[in-house]
Amino acid sequence: NAGVTQTPKFRVLKTGQSMTLLCAQDMNHEYMYWYRQDPGMGLRLIHYSVGEGTTAKGEVPDGYNVSRLKKQNFLLGLESAAPSQTSVYFCASSYGTSFNEQFFGPGTRLTVL
Amino acid sequence: AQSVTQLDSQVPVFEEAPVELRCNYSSSVSVYLFWYVQYPNQGLQLLLKYLSGSTLVKGINGFEAEFNKSQTSFHLRKPSVHISDTAEYFCAVSDRGSYKLIFGSGTRLLVRP
Repeated sequence: NAGVTQTPKFRVLKTGQSMTLLCAQDMNHEYMYWYRQDPGMGLRLIHYSVGEGTTAKGEVPDGYNVSRLKKQNFLLGLESAAPSQTSVYFCASSYGTSFNEQFFGPGTRLTVL
Repeated sequence: AQSVTQLDSQVPVFEEAPVELRCNYSSSVSVYLFWYVQYPNQGLQLLLKYLSGSTLVKGINGFEAEFNKSQTSFHLRKPSVHISDTAEYFCAVSDRGSYKLIFGSGTRLLVRP
């Protein structure tokens, strides 16, 4: 099993450009999450999904959109990238109940110039 | 709202010495507690978790943590660290009934020879 995979691993954008980050999991998890990690701030939840076709806002959703058309995939989109979105983005998945651990992907390092 | 505090941003320690990484959470409502480790340029992986029962929880790689409800703490300990333990450690809390994790800001453990 590959677990949670993320594409791409690195990306450099110019301000105003758009891009989509792809997350895929092969564990049949219902719940998927997108986080951003910034120095000294831990991980902050951007959006999450509790099942195929559903999405919800997390702690820092502004400037991002998500879609979950298939259970195994969770896409994070930046429509008009800003330098403040320079960060490391992590996808995670879980069975959903609060006592289950979340499994994390390797991350995508995004730089917006 | 739930919050997690990791007071130490960096903890330097010599190899084979003991270490304690501190974690406090804000709410005394029933919670689940987790410690994750992030090795350089990797995603997060679970070290251990507290769900209920014994307040002393053992995890992987010789780590353990103690849940203290009265002090709302969940400190991570290891009696003898190795160079390979150099990583960033995140404490996280989930309120029972919520599938969202709240992360602390992380503690970088630096093990020196």
